[in-house]
Amino acid sequence: GQQLNQSPQSMFIQEGEDVSMNCTSSSIFNTWLWYKQDPGEGPVLLIALYKAGELTSNGRLTAQFGITRKDSFLNISASIPSDVGIYFCAGSFGNEKLTFGTGTRLTIIP
Amino acid sequence: NAGVTQTPKFQVLKTGQSMTLQCAQDMNHNSMYWYRQDPGMGLRLIYYSASEGTTDKGEVPNGYNVSRLNKREFSLRLESAAPSQTSVYFCASTIRKTGDDYGYTFGSGTRLTVV
Repeated sequence: GQQLNQSPQSMFIQEGEDVSMNCTSSSIFNTWLWYKQDPGEGPVLLIALYKAGELTSNGRLTAQFGITRKDSFLNISASIPSDVGIYFCAGSFGNEKLTFGTGTRLTIIP
Repeated sequence: NAGVTQTPKFQVLKTGQSMTLQCAQDMNHNSMYWYRQDPGMGLRLIYYSASEGTTDKGEVPNGYNVSRLNKREFSLRLESAAPSQTSVYFCASTIRKTGDDYGYTFGSGTRLTVV
């Protein structure tokens, strides 16, 4: 099936640092989504992107829909302890199904 | 404002046993999905239902069956559980308006161990 390559797989950062992660696909997507999963919970939608080149922010989070439509980026500025979790990208061709990346696990070092 | 409710939250089965995972949403969503989450594998689609009365296979359907009981409920059944089905199972739903994806709302998961 369709694979999304998400990197890095894990990140260890100090509180206050900025975070960048990305997702690449071998195929074009019409929609890119970013989710966050807290321990023991289901993923929660952070940002949705619907147009190539689109840059969207949600508080300290900023995501971009790559102009090739094959990639997307998520940045978190000034990280705080509650940012800890697993971040997933997901892409859609505009049909019923989302394809998810393998996740980036974010850990904040005290 | 419950969203997507999954039951049970935890389950241990013996190899060969059967069970049904329940999922219900109260958001009047049309589409519902079952995913499994394994370490390093992300979320993989098992089955989905685009609307009441329809179901389709996803990426990893073998060993599972589903029932879209009504618009609210979508159940996942393991007829003969195997250790390879040890995983965390998530149900999700979306309103799926034409031309847009509004993203999924996920339940909190069922943690299944098959011994």
